[in-house]
Amino acid sequence: QQQVKQSPQSLIVQKGGISIINCAYENTAFDYFPWYQQFPGKGPALLIAIRPDVSEKKEGRFTISFNKSAKQFSLHIMDSQPGDSATYFCAASDNNAGNMLTFGGGTRLMVKP
Amino acid sequence: ETGVTQTPRHLVMGMTNKKSLKCEQHLGHNAMYWYKQSAKKPLELMFVYNFKEQTENNSVPSRFSPECPNSSHLFLHLHTLQPEDSALYLCASSQDPNTDTQYFGPGTRLTVL
Repeated sequence: QQQVKQSPQSLIVQKGGISIINCAYENTAFDYFPWYQQFPGKGPALLIAIRPDVSEKKEGRFTISFNKSAKQFSLHIMDSQPGDSATYFCAASDNNAGNMLTFGGGTRLMVKP
Repeated sequence: ETGVTQTPRHLVMGMTNKKSLKCEQHLGHNAMYWYKQSAKKPLELMFVYNFKEQTENNSVPSRFSPECPNSSHLFLHLHTLQPEDSALYLCASSQDPNTDTQYFGPGTRLTVL
């Protein structure tokens, strides 16, 4: 049973465009929502994270939007660059249950020059 | 650059072999994790260790045997694996299991023939 559903599975965006990746979760106890970025041959690296007390968090070109009532959160990459081409994973955890991360299925992003 | 290293980076083994994967973290963390990353499937948590004690076993078959001799080292002993066990095995660490940020190693690409 997949508790975090991620879409799309793959995404192609032109350089300078906006990349949008969506995730939906089921467990209302989740209270931490990170996004990880993974390049080929590397392990996932934390990109940005949000807690449900805010609806948006921005770090540079990366923004997380969070909708608690809809149990959805999304990653927006503004001014997408070829160097952003990677696989992106959303995740969620419940701090009161040991903070075990449950990952989405991943989105392979390709930014075309 | 990641403070979590994994060896070997690639491993090919037969179903009757016994091999071990090694993970070392240089971050002074107390919690370490093993994940399995298969194609087209979400990252799956396998084991969690906190202060060398196993705190989570996510219904992993007994042909996978973890060992954590100290807070900096984590092993995954493999024996009589199946071809469907072929995957990328990722190690991660965090300050403690209740700390949100997990830092991943580059993974070991395992192929079971």
